[in-house]
Amino acid sequence: DSGVTQTPKHLITATGQRVTLRCSPRSGDLSVYWYQQSLDQGLQFLIQYYNGEERAKGNILERFSAQQFPDLHSELNLSSLELGDSALYFCASSVTPSGEYEQYFGPGTRLTVT
Amino acid sequence: AQTVTQSQPEMSVQEAETVTLSCTYDTSESDYYLFWYKQPPSRQMILVIRQEAYKQQNATENRFSVNFQKAAKSFSLKISDSQLGDAAMYFCAYTTAEYGNKLVFGAGTILRVKS
Repeated sequence: DSGVTQTPKHLITATGQRVTLRCSPRSGDLSVYWYQQSLDQGLQFLIQYYNGEERAKGNILERFSAQQFPDLHSELNLSSLELGDSALYFCASSVTPSGEYEQYFGPGTRLTVT
Repeated sequence: AQTVTQSQPEMSVQEAETVTLSCTYDTSESDYYLFWYKQPPSRQMILVIRQEAYKQQNATENRFSVNFQKAAKSFSLKISDSQLGDAAMYFCAYTTAEYGNKLVFGAGTILRVKS
């Protein structure tokens, strides 16, 4: 158990819908990262927050957005869902956004868009 | 842009034998970190080992060790005395402060362990 929690574990929804994925970082970690793992794109970085502020953006679609709240939990919002958005979405956390600190991964949320 | 290449889609090893997984990366940075992550069938991402670029000594963690060749931009993982529980997908990853320390992953290598 990494100490990072993600809910829900599984999510099945239809095209065009909107979903919210939730992540609670390890106690004391200020930085949260979101990654997408799909069959065709592999593991890709989406977005990073540090202490409530957006820090870095990767290949995140405009239909996707995220935020980190004052209690440091983070939410990833996916809207106008398409079949290609089906993937495993990981949240990871670290003490600070520095490579010297390990990123601890949550168990992931498996999203299936039908 | 930083890229990480794992040229072996799949590898097999006999239980108790040694196997080496390859990884190369491309970067113009001098200060960076390299990692090997294991993803078993449960899909949980587990950190196996890490290497700081400024350290010349190769990292080791029990049966896992790396061969870090900075000039060649190569970072291979050696698993000794392979066990059935080592069967998983292994990802090589890179990060640097230049890009907020996001992890850049390779495509992964599936490791099968035969009993």
